[in-house]
Amino acid sequence: GAGVSQSPRYKVAKRGQDVALRCDPISGHVSLFWYQQALGQGPEFLTYFQNEAQLDKSGLPSDRFFAERPEGSVSTLKIQRTQQEDSAVYLCASSRQGGRYEQYFGPGTRLTVT
Amino acid sequence: SQQGEEDPQALSIQEGENATMNCSYKTSINNLQWYRQNSGRGLVHLILIRSNEREKHSGRLRVTLDTSKKSSSLLITASRAADTASYFCATDEGNAGNMLTFGGGTRLMVKP
Repeated sequence: GAGVSQSPRYKVAKRGQDVALRCDPISGHVSLFWYQQALGQGPEFLTYFQNEAQLDKSGLPSDRFFAERPEGSVSTLKIQRTQQEDSAVYLCASSRQGGRYEQYFGPGTRLTVT
Repeated sequence: SQQGEEDPQALSIQEGENATMNCSYKTSINNLQWYRQNSGRGLVHLILIRSNEREKHSGRLRVTLDTSKKSSSLLITASRAADTASYFCATDEGNAGNMLTFGGGTRLMVKP
C-alpha cells in the first residue's frame, strides 16, 4: 500500500513568512509523529498524535510551531514567522500504535529560510 | 537532545566486506530500532529489537542488543555499493511508546 507522503518536498521561505507542511500517514495508522532533522544530524522529536489528540508536544522548539491533526488522519505542521534557524528537513512518521511498533517515515520536507 | 551515540561517525569499506556500527544509549528502553537514510531521502526502517531480545537477523543484517551495557550493534554482511547511506539507531526511552530518540548516525560508504 501507499507509504507516508509529505508535501511540499521543498519549501523556500523568506524570514518572517508562515509555512504549512502536510503529512498523509499510512491509512489506519493511529500514531503520527513529527521530527526535525538538521543537516548531518539525527532526527529530533517535535510532537506526537494519537488519532486526533496531540499527546506530546514537548519537542516543539517555540510557540511559533503548531501542529494539528483534526480528523485523526492528515496532519499539518505550521511554522509562523519563520527564522533562519528553522531551516531543516521536517519528517513525518506514522505507526500502528505508538513507538512500540515500527515507525514509517515520509520523504520529508526540506525547508530553507532565507 | 539526542539519546545515543553511534560509533563510528563515518565508515568506508570495500564492497563485499562487513560493516559494523555501534550505538549506545542512556536510559532504559522497551525497544531499539535501526533505520537507514539515503542522501536526501526519508528514513527506512530496518529492524526492531525488543529489550528482552539479544540478537535478531534480517537478510544480511544482524542486530545485537546488550541492555546491561546499554548498547547495540548493527552488522551488515557482504556489503554492496547500494548499502551506502547513513544508519541511525533509535530508542523509545522506555516511555509509553511514543517518540523515538535518535543518535547522530553512522555514515557508511561502500566502495565498488
